[in-house]
This record gives sequence, C-alpha cells and structure tokens, in this order.
Amino acid sequence: SQQGEEDPQALSIQEGENATMNCSYKTSINNLQWYRQNSGRGLVHLILIRSNEREKHSGRLRVTLDTSKKSSSLLITASRAADTASYFCATGSGNTPLVFGKGTRLSVIA
Amino acid sequence: GAGVSQSPSNKVTEKGKDVELRCDPISGHTALYWYRQSLGQGLEFLIYFQGNSAPDKSGLPSDRFSAERTGGSVSTLTIQRTQQEDSAVYFCASSLVGFSNEQYFGPGTRLTVT
Repeated sequence: SQQGEEDPQALSIQEGENATMNCSYKTSINNLQWYRQNSGRGLVHLILIRSNEREKHSGRLRVTLDTSKKSSSLLITASRAADTASYFCATGSGNTPLVFGKGTRLSVIA
Repeated sequence: GAGVSQSPSNKVTEKGKDVELRCDPISGHTALYWYRQSLGQGLEFLIYFQGNSAPDKSGLPSDRFSAERTGGSVSTLTIQRTQQEDSAVYFCASSLVGFSNEQYFGPGTRLTVT
C-alpha cells in the first residue's frame, strides 16, 4: 500500500513563481526523500531529510518535515520551465523498502 | 562516472513469452532495487538485493517474477509467461548501502505485452 501521498496531483504555475508540493504519510519513518522524474526518464534524487531534522535546503529547494503531522513539503523557489516534471516523495523506515507516492505533476509555463 | 544502465530500453513481447531485463548498477554500490511504474502511477517496489544477504522479494507480484544478482553486480529481472498487466516501465536503482540512502535510478525498460 502507498505510504506517501503527494498533494496536489497536478500543479501549473508561471515561470518565476514558487511551487509548493506536500506529502503526507501514515507510519513512523526515519527519513523522507524527494525525487524528480522527467517524462519518460528515471527518477533523480533531490533531497533527503531525516526524522530528527525539520528543514533542509538545497539550492532553490526547501524541504520541511513535521513528524507530528506526518507531513513534508517541497518548495521550489523562482521556478523555471526546466523544473517541469513529476515530483515524488518516498518514505524510509530504515530496513524496509522506500515507499513512493503517486507524485505531483508540475508544469512551469514560460 | 557511469550511472545505472538498463537494457533493453524498450521491449515488446507477446503474451505468454518470457522476458529478461538487465541492470548494471553503479560500481561499488552494494544495494540494488527493482521497481515498476504503471502509467501515471508511483513506483512499486519489487525486489531488493543487499550485498550477499538473501534478497527481499516481498514486492514481487507473483511467482512469474524472479531476479538474480550475479557477483554482487549485474542483475537480471525475469518475467515468465508475461501477461498484459505486466506492461509497465521497469526501473533499476542502486545505492551505496541500504534503504536509508539516496538511490540512483537507471533510465528504465518499457515493457509492452501484446
């Protein structure tokens, strides 16, 4: 069964705007990861946040984790057309397989 | 350096035939994973290899699916007596160690069962 569930399913924004995607999960985790998938390609790892971290930054990406609400958000600032892709969260419990959500399809319009 | 490679990139097969999908992980990565992705869906975990340990086969959907990893490197996913519902993109990924680390994905094999 799916653990991480992304919201919204699809998001369309103008270039330069910020994009926020959310992920909710059900059980305890020790890390949460965000991946990007361009159409027809493999997934690319973006960022990993551990359960004892609350916020992490990488370039234009900002990830937050709220373990009390079992949720995470991915913020992409100053979006570009090249950010158009599907974004997946994946939850890890240490010694069990990562569980991926169905993803958020982001379209950035130039 | 070289990333994860998979072959073939596309495979069309007739229902009932067997297929083999190959994965070459990143050199030095001890963990290797197989996933599949149906159209518009997330990734479904199939199987996981870690070093010389017994593989975690908990995600294999039926006994028609099997996988091997030879010499701790190359892996082959075999689907016997393919069915139309097996049509999907099959991804391989590898990581330095187990689940808690970032995974590096191959480009996938698109399998179409007619």
